[in-house]
Amino acid sequence: RKEVEQDPGPFNVPEGATVAFNCTYSNSASQSFFWYRQDCRKEPKLLMSVYSSGNEDGRFTAQLNRASQYISLLIRDSKLSDSATYLCVVNSGGYQKVTFGTGTKLQVIP
Amino acid sequence: DTEVTQTPKHLVMGMTNKKSLKCEQHMGHRAMYWYKQKAKKPPELMFVYSYEKLSINESVPSRFSPECPNSSLLNLHLHALQPEDSALYLCASSQGEFAGVGELFFGEGSRLTVL
Repeated sequence: RKEVEQDPGPFNVPEGATVAFNCTYSNSASQSFFWYRQDCRKEPKLLMSVYSSGNEDGRFTAQLNRASQYISLLIRDSKLSDSATYLCVVNSGGYQKVTFGTGTKLQVIP
Repeated sequence: DTEVTQTPKHLVMGMTNKKSLKCEQHMGHRAMYWYKQKAKKPPELMFVYSYEKLSINESVPSRFSPECPNSSLLNLHLHALQPEDSALYLCASSQGEFAGVGELFFGEGSRLTVL
């Protein structure tokens, strides 16, 4: 089983739709969770950290389910500019390094 | 604009060449990283420098040689590469010494093609 797994997609959704991605992780000792966004041929950028209590940033909501070992990202009112690959990132080997999931590609359609 | 600067943006080299990738950050970050990313794949960690000392080497072949001359600079020396080494090489930095604690700031990457 991979350390961090994501559905690669693509998820094709119309503007204004709500879309959700899940990411599962295998190491029950993981403590840090992040969502990064990567545009085509660009570098990854932090979208948001994921906290135990869940957190929201505008149209984006991230949640953590430790019992089932997954994190989720919900995007409401999708915009064309949300089209990107969303990478789930989880710490591994203590806090010294993180593991990236394969990413979920989102395409928002006019 | 990214605060981590990488040069060159593009590099084409032959298998017998020696070249270097450079990375610079002026955010006072304590850790710097090299990642390799192939098309449609996630970034894969290669090396971590913490306080200018190599703290992690992910069993990277010796044809890749990292160097951290000071807290702001990170180099990746390349020698006798193979065509399968063609990829996007991303440099990153973090304020803390541990990647798992806070944000990783990435440079735009150096796209390497080995002929």
